[in-house]
Amino acid sequence: GNSVTQMEGPVTLSEEAFLTINCTYTATGYPSLFWYVQYPGEGLQLLLKATKADDKGSNKGFEATYRKETTSFHLEKGSVQVSDSAVYFCALSNKPNAGGTSYGKLTFGQGTILTVHP
Amino acid sequence: GAVVSQHPSWVICKSGTSVKIECRSLDFQATTMFWYRQFPKQSLMLMATSNEGSKATYEQGVEKDKFLINHASLTLSTLTVTSAHPEDSSFYICSARVRREGPLVSDTQYFGPGTRLTVL
Repeated sequence: GNSVTQMEGPVTLSEEAFLTINCTYTATGYPSLFWYVQYPGEGLQLLLKATKADDKGSNKGFEATYRKETTSFHLEKGSVQVSDSAVYFCALSNKPNAGGTSYGKLTFGQGTILTVHP
Repeated sequence: GAVVSQHPSWVICKSGTSVKIECRSLDFQATTMFWYRQFPKQSLMLMATSNEGSKATYEQGVEKDKFLINHASLTLSTLTVTSAHPEDSSFYICSARVRREGPLVSDTQYFGPGTRLTVL
């Protein structure tokens, strides 16, 4: 079955530090990959996505590259801000034409808490 | 675009009562909505997949008679927690998948802000 493994947190950084949150996955076929962010007291928001190998998703200074050879989708940001403090979830879903009952279901990693200090 | 709302945002109820949570896609049509449960400091657990006009598909271990799901239209799905007990207290989140024309549909889910349920 599908699974997603994220680096354990919490991660604590100073403002302007470089961020990496590792994510690896196990899936049948070629899933779509996502990073979602959950700010305190809010629901999940899509941060970025990639749908095929070597695609790079990017948004708000964050980026992640779909690496098929290492089954990874690590999240990076060159200079974090206090406002980036949140929980980050890596996720995958099967492609629409994969069919079957697993289509469209998101499988989430356990989440990584990021705290950025001024 | 792609905004999903949930109502209520929080609810406190007595043990034994039923609570209904609404999930609406405000600016798009969603043929499929998903219901998740999130425990404190944990990941999201998929409870069920709801398709418009058909019965929901529940994940293993989720009681369908306990968590009633209705997806009556392309913009509304409801989750009713029946005879709620303190162990049902949790953060319930819905998501909606955007409907597209043609043979392929989007695989991006847009999430509601969640509903905090507390059962006393």
